[in-house]
Formats: sequence, C-alpha cells, structure tokens
Amino acid sequence: GQNIDQPTEMTATEGAIVQINCTYQTSGFNGLFWYQQHAGEAPTFLSYNVLDGLEEKGRFSSFLSRSKGYSYLLLKELQMKDSASYLCAVMDSNYQLIWGAGTKLIIKP
Amino acid sequence: DVKVTQSSRYLVKRTGEKVFLECVQDMDHENMFWYRQDPGLGLRLIYFSYDVKMKEKGDIPEGYSVSREKKERFSLILESASTNQTSMYLCASSLSQGLRETQYFGPGTRLLVL
Repeated sequence: GQNIDQPTEMTATEGAIVQINCTYQTSGFNGLFWYQQHAGEAPTFLSYNVLDGLEEKGRFSSFLSRSKGYSYLLLKELQMKDSASYLCAVMDSNYQLIWGAGTKLIIKP
Repeated sequence: DVKVTQSSRYLVKRTGEKVFLECVQDMDHENMFWYRQDPGLGLRLIYFSYDVKMKEKGDIPEGYSVSREKKERFSLILESASTNQTSMYLCASSLSQGLRETQYFGPGTRLLVL
C-alpha cells in the first residue's frame, strides 16, 4: 500500500528553527511537495523536490533522500504567522498526489 | 496569480438531498481535482478530470459524481447526501499532468449533512 507519515503536531518558539519530517512508501516516485495550510484556508504550495538534496527558499528549506524515502521541511526564524498545518504529498507513478495527514505547527511567543 | 474559486464556503444540507459543489479556475488549466479533507486523514481524491467531458475516479468516488462541461468549471455532485459525507471539500487545478505540476487549491467548502 501507499503511505505517507508525518507527525501530527509540533510546537516551537518564535524566532527558533523547526524541522518537520515526512517518510513515504509509494508505488513510484515523481517528486515530493510541501504545502502550507492555515486553519480554514486552502493549501498553498511551498516546495517541490525530485532530486536528492536541499532546496532553499528564503526562510524555508526542503530536503529529500529518495533512497531513505524521507523528506523534511525546515523553517527558520519562526514567525507567529507560520502557525499552520504543513502537508507532505508524494507524486506517484501515475502522477497522482498521495497526501500525508499534515503536521499542525504551533508557534509560541 | 492562479485563482480557483468555489461556489460556497459553508453549506448545510439534509440527508437525501442532492448537493452541487461548483469550482471555477481562471488559468486555462487542463486538470481539475476534487478532494475531501477530514481530521487526521490526508486529502483523499474523489474524482479528477484531464479535459472537458473527461473524468476519472479517484480513491473514494462512491456516492459522488462529477461534471466538466467547460474547461474552467468542474462540479461535484452528491446524488443523495449522507451524514458520512460531512467534510471539507477542496477543489484544485493544475496546468497539465507531469513532473513538477503544482496543484492550486480553492478555499474549500465545508459541508454539513444533517
């Protein structure tokens, strides 16, 4: 079966760094997406990785290891507005997205 | 900016009613998707469409149907609503199928079936 695992909830402090992990087992791999979803709003695209390594985009970075079936999203200099759910999704061999349940990130002052 | 709109943010319906959820995108995208999102579960694909009048079943199509008569519009129909269809419904679109094709989401419709 296909499976995406990520922690249900994490708490971090404003100004700190947090790493949200995602492990996956899917039929085929055509890339991994991270989305951000604020409560009651639409998911919005953050990053896409298809090759191993780190992709940096401002305060956010995303890492992929295909051999380990593992990715993480790194958020630096946390701000209160980063309080949201972070969704990991893998594009399978049919180019369909398989979604994790999301990680709710709580930022405390 | 890609814009995906959904006809309602909140809906309350009764068991057995026929329910229509509409989604419109303004970026000439080929692909459109309907998902439902429930607490503790990842987004689950109900139906998707690669072209006008084309539709494909997703992972949980039972109890739903779809219609795509125009490229920009994708409708989800609950033929006879049931309480287990209470959920958040998200519509998405993408330019085409393939690597790196990002899906863009609408704001969602929160449906309550009584």
